[in-house]
Amino acid sequence: QQQVKQSPQSLIVQKGGISIINCAYENTAFDYFPWYQQFPGKGPALLIAIRPDVSEKKEGRFTISFNKSAKQFSLHIMDSQPGDSATYFCAASINSSNTGKLIFGQGTTLQVKP
Amino acid sequence: NAGVTQTPKFQVLKTGQSMTLQCAQDMNHEYMSWYRQDPGMGLRLIHYSVGAGITDQGEVPNGYNVSRSTTEDFPLRLLSAAPSQTSVYFCASSYTGGVREQFFGPGTRLTVL
Repeated sequence: QQQVKQSPQSLIVQKGGISIINCAYENTAFDYFPWYQQFPGKGPALLIAIRPDVSEKKEGRFTISFNKSAKQFSLHIMDSQPGDSATYFCAASINSSNTGKLIFGQGTTLQVKP
Repeated sequence: NAGVTQTPKFQVLKTGQSMTLQCAQDMNHEYMSWYRQDPGMGLRLIHYSVGAGITDQGEVPNGYNVSRSTTEDFPLRLLSAAPSQTSVYFCASSYTGGVREQFFGPGTRLTVL
């Protein structure tokens, strides 16, 4: 079963636009929600992460919005640039399990057109 | 620091052959894991380890074996390769407490004919 569901599968945005990727989770024990960015031919790398005690976290042009009651979280990329073209994965883990185990969403391929 | 290294980068196998994908990290991370990446399926956890001598199954463990004899190394073994195991394989590592950033290797692209 897929514990973290991500949408859309692909996204095309014009340069300067806002890119929005959504994720929903089922397990209420999840307490750590990172987003990873992956460029072609590379491994994923951590972009930004949030814990459920806050509703929003912003780092530069990247913002995570978190809705605990709806069990949803989303990544917003403001002023999207061609260099943001990549695959984005949301993920979730149970921090208190002390294992580091992450469950990933299906991924979203973002293309930012110049 | 080299971070997480994986070898080989590319591999072609015939059905039924066996091989080992190598993974090593030099960050003294307790947690190491193997994922496979397939189009539309995201990253699916195969096996993971929280320390030397300790391994456990992830979401898709069938057809794969792992062992963890040292903190640094976490090899993934395919005992009898099948075409369904054609995929890109990533190894990752992290600490188990506190900040949980997982560091990924560059991946191994495996084709099973």
